[in-house]
Amino acid sequence: DQQVKQNSPSLSVQEGRISILNCDYTNSMFDYFLWYKKYPAEGPTFLISISSIKDKNEDGRFTVFLNKSAKHLSLHIVPSQPGDSAVYFCAASAMNYGGSQGNLIFGKGTKLSVKP
Amino acid sequence: DGGITQSPKYLFRKEGQNVTLSCEQNLNHDAMYWYRQDPGQGLRLIYYSQIVNDFQKGDIAEGYSVSREKKESFPLTVTSAQKNPTAFYLCASQGAVAKNIQYFGAGTRLSVL
Repeated sequence: DQQVKQNSPSLSVQEGRISILNCDYTNSMFDYFLWYKKYPAEGPTFLISISSIKDKNEDGRFTVFLNKSAKHLSLHIVPSQPGDSAVYFCAASAMNYGGSQGNLIFGKGTKLSVKP
Repeated sequence: DGGITQSPKYLFRKEGQNVTLSCEQNLNHDAMYWYRQDPGQGLRLIYYSQIVNDFQKGDIAEGYSVSREKKESFPLTVTSAQKNPTAFYLCASQGAVAKNIQYFGAGTRLSVL
C-alpha cells in the first residue's frame, strides 16, 4: 500500500502563473517531508523540505505547505518558469524514529509542464 | 568538487550475466542508498548502508547484492536472478549534518540485450 501518494501524474500551467503540486501520506509517524525535482535521465535534485513542527517553509519561488491533520502537503511555485518543467517527487520519512524508519519513502511523481 | 558519481551511464546485460553498477561519493557521507526507478513509478529502495561494512535490504532487494568496504563506495550488482532488470538505477548518499536530505547521482540506465 502506498504510504506517499501523488495523485496527479501530470500538471500543465502557463508561464508566470502558480503551480501547485499535491502530496498525501498515510503514515502518521512521518515527521519530515521533502520535494525533489528530476529532469529526464538525471538524478533527482533536492528542492525544499519541511519538518512536521512547521506548517510552511519558503525558499525563493518555492513554498511548501504542510497540513498535518489532513496528512497533506503541497508545493507552490510562483511564478512558474519553463525551466521548472520536470517531474517532482514528494518524499517522507520518520526522522525521529531512526533506523529504517528514517529512510525516505517516495511518491510516484508529478510531471509539471510550464508553457511559455 | 564534491558529489556522487555513478558509472557507467548506460549498461547492457546479456541473459544470465551479472553486472555491477558503480557509485562513488566524496561528500564524506556515512549513509548510501540504491534505488530503482521504472517508468511512471517512484523510487523504490533496493539496498542501503548506514555505515561501512554494514548494509540492509530495502523493499525490492531480491536479485541484487551490494558491498560497502569503503565509505566512499557502494557498488550494486544486478544478478542473473533479477528477471526484470531493465530500469534506471539511482545511487544516493546522506550525511549527518543535513539529516534526511539525500543527494543523488546522475543514474545508470540498465537494459537487457
